[in-house]
Parts: sequence; structure tokens; C-alpha cells
Amino acid sequence: ELKVEQNPLFLSMQEGKNYTIYCNYSTTSDRLYWYRQDPGKSLESLFVLLSNGAVKQEGRLMASLDTKARLSTLHITAAVHDLSATYFCAALFGNEKLTFGTGTRLTIIP
Amino acid sequence: GAGVSQSPRYKVAKRGQDVALRCDPISGHVSLFWYQQALGQGPEFLTYFQNEAQLDKSGLPSDRFFAERPEGSVSTLKIQRTQQEDSAVYLCASSRPTNNEQFFGPGTRLTVL
Repeated sequence: ELKVEQNPLFLSMQEGKNYTIYCNYSTTSDRLYWYRQDPGKSLESLFVLLSNGAVKQEGRLMASLDTKARLSTLHITAAVHDLSATYFCAALFGNEKLTFGTGTRLTIIP
Repeated sequence: GAGVSQSPRYKVAKRGQDVALRCDPISGHVSLFWYQQALGQGPEFLTYFQNEAQLDKSGLPSDRFFAERPEGSVSTLKIQRTQQEDSAVYLCASSRPTNNEQFFGPGTRLTVL
């Protein structure tokens, strides 16, 4: 069974702190995506990771992929309030359909 | 530029009613996907089209769910005899032929009373 697991499910962080969200997937995947979702809104694409060792950064967010460990991480540096959202990882298996993790609800506390 | 659009944005149905949800993909996007997102959960795959061909419908939860894309552009997801457990946000996404990155629409929030 294809599974994508994220942890933690809920995360409260103080502004200015660093933290990492973890995404494990159960079988070989062609690529790994990170999305952001604000309450009542749709999914915003953040990163697409294509190969082992891939690292991408945008602002305070950095994503990496280790295909051997079947692990992707989303690292948040010096968190600010506007990063509060739910973050999903999703793995692409075979015929283009995405399998999503359960999401990490991130709250940044002033 | 125009993104993926969906209509209606909100739909309230009485149990047993039929509903039809529409998705307009980004122009030129060959692949179109439907996902169901229950409250507090991640999206779950329902079905996938490449042009007008429905290549995978393994995620449709029952035979009450039906999707079509007759001309390879606009798609409709139809749910017959709606049940309370059908209440969810239905997301549509599309992608280009040379790039698997999926772009999502705003979703249709379906509430079945």
C-alpha cells in the first residue's frame, strides 16, 4: 500500500525559531512535492524535488529529498507569522497521481 | 494568467440529490485530476484524465461517482444520490504534458444535509 506520513501533525513555533517537518513515503517515488494550504483555500505549490539529494530553498523554507531513506524534509528558518498554514507533502507514484500526507498544521506564535 | 477554475465554489445538497461539479483546467494542460479532501485531512485521489480518456478511476469511492471530460478540456464530476459522507472539498488539478507538476483550483465545498 502506498503511504505518505508526515510528522508532526501539529506544530506551534515561536517567531524566530527553526524547525523541520518530516515526510516519509513507503515505496519508490518519481518525485516529491510540498504544498501550502491556508484555511479555506486551495493548495499552493512550494517545491518539486526530482532526484536524490535535491535541495531547494525559497525565502525561509528549504526542502530536501533523500530517496534512499524515502524521506523529505521541509525546514523553516527564523519563522515569521505569515508562515502559519498547513503544509502537505505528496509523492508521485507511477501514473501521475499524487498521494498526500496527512498535513502538518503550523502555527507561529509571536 | 488564468489558473484552474472550479464552480460552484460552494454547494449545499439534501441527501439523495444529484450534484455536478465543474472544472476548467489551465489552457493547454493535457492531464486533469480530481481529489477529495475531507475536513482536516489531505487530499485523496479520485480520478485522472489524459485529454478525454479517463486513465484511472480507482479512487472513486462508489458507483455513485462519475467523471467525464468529453472534449479533453472542461471536466465534470457528478455525484448521484448524495450521502452525508460525501461532504468534502473537491479539488481539481491540471498539468502540462511535459511536466507532472499539478496546479490546483480553489475547490468546491460540498455539504450534504
